[in-house]
Amino acid sequence: ILNVEQSPQSLHVQEGDSTNFTCSFPSSNFYALHWYRWETAKSPEALFVMTLNGDEKKKGRISATLNTKEGYSYLYIKGSQPEDSATYLCASPGKAGTALIFGKGTTLSVSS
Amino acid sequence: DAGVTQSPTHLIKTRGQHVTLRCSPISGHKSVSWYQQVLGQGPQFIFQYYEKEERGRGNFPDRFSARQFPNYSSELNVNALLLGDSALYLCASSALGWSSTDTQYFGPGTRLTVL
Repeated sequence: ILNVEQSPQSLHVQEGDSTNFTCSFPSSNFYALHWYRWETAKSPEALFVMTLNGDEKKKGRISATLNTKEGYSYLYIKGSQPEDSATYLCASPGKAGTALIFGKGTTLSVSS
Repeated sequence: DAGVTQSPTHLIKTRGQHVTLRCSPISGHKSVSWYQQVLGQGPQFIFQYYEKEERGRGNFPDRFSARQFPNYSSELNVNALLLGDSALYLCASSALGWSSTDTQYFGPGTRLTVL
C-alpha cells in the first residue's frame, strides 16, 4: 500500500519568512506527484503535477522540486504572506491512472 | 465556467439512516472521484468513475456505493450510517481519469454529521 508522508505537520512563520515542507513517497513504481493548497472553507486547489526526476515547477512565490530516486518532493514558499496560510497536501497515484493517495498535509500559518 | 459543485453543503443524520451526496463535475470532464476527509487526515479515496464505469474502489465497506450518470454527474450513497462516517466528503473531477498526471479539481465538499 502506497504511503505518502508529509512533514512538518504544522508550521507557523512571520510574514516575509521563506519556508519549505517535505513530501515523502516510495521511490519504486512512481507515477506522479501532485501538490494542492487547501484554504479553510474552500476547495483544495491544484498547484503542481510533477513527473520527472529533477523536475522544478514554479507558480508565483511557490515552487516545488522532485526527487523520484530518493522519494521526496519539497514545496517552497518565498516571502510568506498571510494569504499563504493554508494546508498544503501532496498526493500520488497508487497505480498508473488511479486515484490519489494523500499525505496528512502541512498546515501553514503566517502572521503579519 | 463553473467548477465542481456538490450538494448539500451540510447534512445532519442519525445512526442507521441513509444519505445521498451529489456532485456535478466541470463541464467536459468525464471522471469523478469521491474522497472522505476526517480531521487531521488527508482525503481518503472512496470511488472513481470514468464514463459511467467504476474504475477504482478504496478500502470502504459495502455500505458505501456510488454511480455516475450519463451527464457525468455522480452520487455517493452511504447506508446504515455510523458515527464514524461523520466527515467531509469531497468530489473531484478530471478530464481523462486514466492518466496519473491528470489534475483532479475538487469541489467544496459536503460536511456530514452523524448523531
